[in-house]
Amino acid sequence: ETGVTQTPRHLVMGMTNKKSLKCEQHLGHNAMYWYKQSAKKPLELMFVYSLEERVENNSVPSRFSPECPNSSHLFLHLHTLQPEDSALYLCASSQETGVNYEQYFGPGTRLTVT
Amino acid sequence: AQSVTQLDSQVPVFEEAPVELRCNYSSSVSVYLFWYVQYPNQGLQLLLKYLSGSTLVKGINGFEAEFNKSQTSFHLRKPSVHISDTAEYFCAVSDRGEYGNKLVFGAGTILRVKS
Repeated sequence: ETGVTQTPRHLVMGMTNKKSLKCEQHLGHNAMYWYKQSAKKPLELMFVYSLEERVENNSVPSRFSPECPNSSHLFLHLHTLQPEDSALYLCASSQETGVNYEQYFGPGTRLTVT
Repeated sequence: AQSVTQLDSQVPVFEEAPVELRCNYSSSVSVYLFWYVQYPNQGLQLLLKYLSGSTLVKGINGFEAEFNKSQTSFHLRKPSVHISDTAEYFCAVSDRGEYGNKLVFGAGTILRVKS
């Protein structure tokens, strides 16, 4: 595997389910990000991790819970989601935080909440 | 806080024609600017970036962009497009976040290249 991988690629879940999204980067980077991409809306930054510590949380509802066990893996745990949470969830990584470091994106997980 | 406006949600163009995708940002303070491309069922890929120096920036796949500080614009151009350029393009600008600079994205422009 190369670059940034995300699993699953598609997920359908009910509002009472608990599921997790997984992201893995094979680039040796120190920073990882979760973004939400909704139709017709700008990409929204959700969480940033630097050296496995969360450094930014953009007022994301508590039903989204991130976890970064090491610099290569990032999870997004989901529970009691709402239909408006349906979106494409993108993971990205970069060598360091800061915009002068290019962010590499995974292909995303398409989430549908029913 | 910064904001980014991509003036066109969709741009249809014929193959081999030139194209310009427009991007304006809200603040004239020192910024970094980026264009990303997203092909169907893929993540975003960096096309080009402006950090400093020459206002004309060249990127991958024959794209270029010009930074215009007075007009707070960073329009993306290609002199001759191909069918394979069909994708969604995102302009992004740096903004101050809790940990330092972060990216603020525009809503995207879908480029449709027709034969």
